[in-house]
Amino acid sequence: LAKTTQPISMDSYEGQEVNITCSHNNIATNDYITWYQQFPSQGPRFIIQGYKTKVTNEVASLFIPADRKSSTLSLPRVSLSDTAVYYCLVGDGNDYKLSFGAGTTVTVRA
Amino acid sequence: TAGITQAPTSQILAAGRSMTLRCTQDMRHNAMYWYRQDLGLGLRLIHYSNTAGTTGKGEVPDGYSVSRANTDDFPLTLASAVPSQTSVYFCASSAGPLTDTQYFGPGTRLTVL
Repeated sequence: LAKTTQPISMDSYEGQEVNITCSHNNIATNDYITWYQQFPSQGPRFIIQGYKTKVTNEVASLFIPADRKSSTLSLPRVSLSDTAVYYCLVGDGNDYKLSFGAGTTVTVRA
Repeated sequence: TAGITQAPTSQILAAGRSMTLRCTQDMRHNAMYWYRQDLGLGLRLIHYSNTAGTTGKGEVPDGYSVSRANTDDFPLTLASAVPSQTSVYFCASSAGPLTDTQYFGPGTRLTVL
């Protein structure tokens, strides 16, 4: 499994764009990049997954450069309800042993 | 659809006692997982099962055992609880491995005194 590194915490204000970068220098050819979101007192929930370039859904965008050694989760125009912990995971279709790590705690202020 | 249910919601347990945390999913997912979450350490995988009848060890398996007799149920047993097992326990399931979305239960808050 590729090791990931992400910031411990980030602060933002309502209406701003939040970008969280995850480093995964030893990502393998078959690895995908997946992000989860966890609200207090709840289990994590899937946000987005990608392999290369850019992926966008109704919640977020995921930017992956050509070398795939990092990825950036972009949350557009955040609101107070986006305050959560965000986890970056890297692995392939044979991985079951996942490690969510400590994630990035995003705090959105009014 | 209920998704994943866990029981109990919370429990206080005396050290040395045994306890089984229950997890049931109704999505017919092949893979199921148990994680523990401790402050500052994120989620750590305890055990997993990629299909009924098989189980595997995760990152922190010591002191825990699991079974997967059928597709829907994946109980986690603490044979002799210790205070360091105080944590929030999450069960999850997915259709397959990492590239398939994991769906998490609401968690069980366990306190071992």
